[in-house]
Amino acid sequence: EAGVAQSPRYKIIEKRQSVAFWCNPISGHATLYWYQQILGQGPKLLIQFQNNGVVDDSQLPKDRFSAERLKGVDSTLKIQPAKLEDSAVYLCASSGQFTGQETQYFGPGTRLLVL
Amino acid sequence: SQKIEQNSEALNIQEGKTATLTCNYTNYSPAYLQWYRQDPGRGPVFLLLIRENEKEKRKERLKVTFDTTLKQSLFHITASQPADSATYLCAPINNAGNMLTFGGGTRLMVKP
Repeated sequence: EAGVAQSPRYKIIEKRQSVAFWCNPISGHATLYWYQQILGQGPKLLIQFQNNGVVDDSQLPKDRFSAERLKGVDSTLKIQPAKLEDSAVYLCASSGQFTGQETQYFGPGTRLLVL
Repeated sequence: SQKIEQNSEALNIQEGKTATLTCNYTNYSPAYLQWYRQDPGRGPVFLLLIRENEKEKRKERLKVTFDTTLKQSLFHITASQPADSATYLCAPINNAGNMLTFGGGTRLMVKP
């Protein structure tokens, strides 16, 4: 079974530029998560999708971050414009159901550096 | 405010000993608690889930306890090995299935 795929693996941009990350979850997984992990900290949930609907985006900085999951499969996370403090690893995860008991499977992450 | 706290200092132990990691939460009543392992440059990997009505859960050399009175979960690795060296994260989840967030993680170093 293929795991969660993310691209790109690394990205370097200058502040005020835009960037987009892509995630392809495990086939058949209804729930998709985007996390931000700053060095030395645990992952922070940014947004949670159930199929193509948003379940929780309370911690998403909506003035600059946006995410979509068209057709309930792949997802993209965008930052526009980027700030220095956005430098982090962006992790995508998926799970089979939205119950809290389901294991989340994580992708390798995209490491973003904002200069 | 809701908080999840794990010991931010690295835990250094000798091979063969039992490692015990702590996850404390405040202003929160999770229905479940998950533990994950994260290696450098990789995403977290699920290890164990424990429900609020379970006192203890075991899987091979791993054991998790959940004390809702103390608002604490303990994660134990018995007969630790150098390959167990990693960062361990706890993740409390409420009844609606929402994850508050991951704890900050505790880095475990097992020395041969």
